[in-house]
Amino acid sequence: GAGVSQSPSNKVTEKGKDVELRCDPISGHTALYWYRQRLGQGLEFLIYFQGNSAPDKSGLPSDRFSAERTGESVSTLTIQRTQQEDSAVYLCASSRGQGREKLFFGSGTQLSVL
Amino acid sequence: SQQGEEDPQALSIQEGENATMNCSYKTSINNLQWYRQNSGRGLVHLILIRSNEREKHSGRLRVTLDTSKKSSSLLITASRAADTASYFCATDGSSNTGKLIFGQGTTLQVKP
Repeated sequence: GAGVSQSPSNKVTEKGKDVELRCDPISGHTALYWYRQRLGQGLEFLIYFQGNSAPDKSGLPSDRFSAERTGESVSTLTIQRTQQEDSAVYLCASSRGQGREKLFFGSGTQLSVL
Repeated sequence: SQQGEEDPQALSIQEGENATMNCSYKTSINNLQWYRQNSGRGLVHLILIRSNEREKHSGRLRVTLDTSKKSSSLLITASRAADTASYFCATDGSSNTGKLIFGQGTTLQVKP
């Protein structure tokens, strides 16, 4: 596609429910990132996929968080048993190379856990 | 952590003035990037400077990099109200995976 696409753009859920966030990177981009941004704060690294290499999961805050990527296409970030502190904007980005090139960001998913 | 740290956290200037934001980081890097964010959603890439470069220009933007001090600065000249946004630096560190770590950002307000 023309840009990185994220869905849904907004998600409201109840505490304890599972949510699934989707990211469609730019076609041909081998690197894909997930970040979390709480209100008024910086970007918190969550996970990084590069081609067929094992993903760098070092930023996932707990075992309630997981992410998958099918080949070099769509990625899904899953949060199980959501908590109120999970409320944030979840941003996805992709790049052509091994992460040392510029990132193209999606518009994010605003997650609100009630 | 190799996270970059920007300062100041917030900056307010008048239209036409120059704005300078600084970024410090902790580990060696391959490159450093600056991004802009409007309205708390997607970020837009502004400029990338490699570790063997000391200065780079793009339009009204000027970025410097001092690897000995592990710091970078972003200068926006002749600022406009439309430059109002948050600005972030990102570093790749010496990680072989190439992941990018972002700082906390500087919020810039340009008053008309």
